Amino acid sequence: AQSVAQPEDQVNVAEGNPLTVKCTYSVSGNPYLFWYVQYPNRGLQFLLKYITGDNLVKGSYGFEAEFNKSQTSFHLKKPSALVSDSALYFCAVRDMNRDDKIIFGKGTRLHILP
Amino acid sequence: DTEVTQTPKHLVMGMTNKKSLKCEQHMGHRAMYWYKQKAKKPPELMFVYSYEKLSINESVPSRFSPECPNSSLLNLHLHALQPEDSALYLCASSQDPEGSSYNSPLHFGNGTRLTVT
Repeated sequence: AQSVAQPEDQVNVAEGNPLTVKCTYSVSGNPYLFWYVQYPNRGLQFLLKYITGDNLVKGSYGFEAEFNKSQTSFHLKKPSALVSDSALYFCAVRDMNRDDKIIFGKGTRLHILP
Repeated sequence: DTEVTQTPKHLVMGMTNKKSLKCEQHMGHRAMYWYKQKAKKPPELMFVYSYEKLSINESVPSRFSPECPNSSLLNLHLHALQPEDSALYLCASSQDPEGSSYNSPLHFGNGTRLTVT
């Protein structure tokens, strides 16, 4: 079965510092991985995806993610955090057995401290 | 602003009421989704329509009834709901017509905040 795990419920980072939000995956076959962000009272917004190719994926708002096959990880990163990055972040994987279904992690709340 | 539009933004209904949630997208996407999201939890898939046909029903109670009148519209009809059905209901769409479904991210609306009293 396909799944993703986000081990941290909350991450606190000082403004201007680099941030990392962790995600590990478990899939059979090649993974199709996504990161989404959700601001209060809004829907989820797509940040970036990994399908194949370069292990470093660049996305919206200065975010990037590093795909690591040996560690089965897909951590979200940003070199310099902004207070406006404070939100709920979801890692997700497409279920290859049912290609219309995307499986979400439990989410990680990111707090950027001014 | 999101390209998926959901109405209404907020809805309060009694347990005996009948109401409908509406969703519209004009991106030419072939798949449309209904998700339910409780506070501080990930979205839970309810239904998927692919090419206007129901392709996934995640064992959702019959008091929720989806409808896809055309490729741009998705409705969720509500009847005899329970207080525990109170949640944020999110609509999403995916897949450009010429693209592979595996590559396509979901595009979400901002949701309808439903309260059942």
